[in-house]
Amino acid sequence: QQQVKQSPQSLIVQKGGISIINCAYENTAFDYFPWYQQFPGKGPALLIAIRPDVSEKKEGRFTISFNKSAKQFSLHIMDSQPGDSATYFCAASVRLVGANNLFFGTGTRLTVIP
Amino acid sequence: ETGVTQTPRHLVMGMTNKKSLKCEQHLGHNAMYWYKQSAKKPLELMFVYNFKEQTENNSVPSRFSPECPNSSHLFLHLHTLQPEDSALYLCASSQQQTGDYEQYFGPGTRLTVT
Repeated sequence: QQQVKQSPQSLIVQKGGISIINCAYENTAFDYFPWYQQFPGKGPALLIAIRPDVSEKKEGRFTISFNKSAKQFSLHIMDSQPGDSATYFCAASVRLVGANNLFFGTGTRLTVIP
Repeated sequence: ETGVTQTPRHLVMGMTNKKSLKCEQHLGHNAMYWYKQSAKKPLELMFVYNFKEQTENNSVPSRFSPECPNSSHLFLHLHTLQPEDSALYLCASSQQQTGDYEQYFGPGTRLTVT
C-alpha cells in the first residue's frame, strides 16, 4: 500500500508560470514532509521541508502548503524557470531518534517551456 | 555535491556475479540508508543503519546483503541477482540526534543485471 500519493505524474508549465504538485497521505503519525528535486543522473536533493505545526513554508520561489485536516500538502513553484525542469518527489516520515524512514511519492516530471 | 559519494556510478553484472556497491558520507551523520529507485515506482527503502546497527530491513531478498563497518561507510553486497533488480541504487545519510533529520542522497549507482 502506497503511503504517499502524488499527482500529477507529469506537468508542463510556461516560463514564468506557477507549478503546483500535490501529495496526500494517510498515516497521521507522519511529522516530517520534505520535497526532493532530482535531475537526470543525479540523486534526489532536498528542496524544502515542513513540519505539521505550520501551514505554509516559503523558501525563495518554492512554497509548501500543508493542510493537516485534509492530510494533504503541495509544492508551489512561482515564476517557474527552464532550470526547474526536473522530477519532484514528495515524502513523509515519522522522525525517530534512530532513523528517519521516508515514504516517497511516485514523482512528478516537471517541464518548463521557455 | 551533497557530501555523500557512491561507487561505482554504473555497474553491469551477470546473474551469477558477485559485486559490491560502496557509499561514503563526509557529513558526520550517524544514520545511513539504502534505497532502490525503479522506473515509475516510488523510491523504496531497503535498509537503515544507525550507529552501525541495522534498524530496518524492508523485506529485502537475501541476495542483497548490507554492511556498515562504521558510521561513515555503507556497502551493499550483491549476488545472484535477477534482471528485475536492475535499478538506480541510492545511498543517503542523516543526523538523527542533533540535526533536523534531513536525508542527503548520493548520486546513485545505476545497476544493470544481464
